[in-house]
Amino acid sequence: GENVEQHPSTLSVQEGDSAVIKCTYSDSASNYFPWYKQELGKRPQLIIDIRSNVGEKKDQRIAVTLNKTAKHFSLHITETQPEDSAVYFCAARGLNTNAGKSTFGDGTTLTVKP
Amino acid sequence: SQTIHQWPATLVQPVGSPLSLECTVEGTSNPNLYWYRQAAGRGLQLLFYSVGIGQISSEVPQNLSASRPQDRQFILSSKKLLLSDSGFYLCAWSVTGGATDTQYFGPGTRLTVL
Repeated sequence: GENVEQHPSTLSVQEGDSAVIKCTYSDSASNYFPWYKQELGKRPQLIIDIRSNVGEKKDQRIAVTLNKTAKHFSLHITETQPEDSAVYFCAARGLNTNAGKSTFGDGTTLTVKP
Repeated sequence: SQTIHQWPATLVQPVGSPLSLECTVEGTSNPNLYWYRQAAGRGLQLLFYSVGIGQISSEVPQNLSASRPQDRQFILSSKKLLLSDSGFYLCAWSVTGGATDTQYFGPGTRLTVL
């Protein structure tokens, strides 16, 4: 099955700096890579996603890049703000998995210091 | 639009007691349904997923079970709770057979086993 590794597990940045979280996956057939943000005590919510036929996608201050050859994808947050502080999860969805279910990384706790 | 409900929101149960958590989805038909558990400060552990009524796949062998008696209802149960069952239980749904596997999470149930 699919295996997803996420790094770093914790990340602390100053407000205004950029933050980068990286995930690697094992199944070369994986075709969909979402990122979720989970604020303390809340549910995870989708913030951005990318399909395997696209190399990069941007949405305001966040972007995701995908390197299919190396089997890794990254979340980039620019001009970080204190409200970006949360746990971020990546996921990869393999084509051959039942129910099209995704495998999640272990999460990255991002702290943005004002 | 689609909405997902979970109840109860919080639950405190003694060791050895039974458990029943319910999840319902509105506004979509034949969704994939998932149960996750999240221990404090940890990642998302997939417990069960379902592609249809009566179809349940278990990811982790344990004292929990799941059932899907109706298309948009997913129930997580236990006959005897353990201390290690404490955690934040999240139900999620996704579109069956979609090109992506965006999962939409419910508000969660915080379970404390004493």
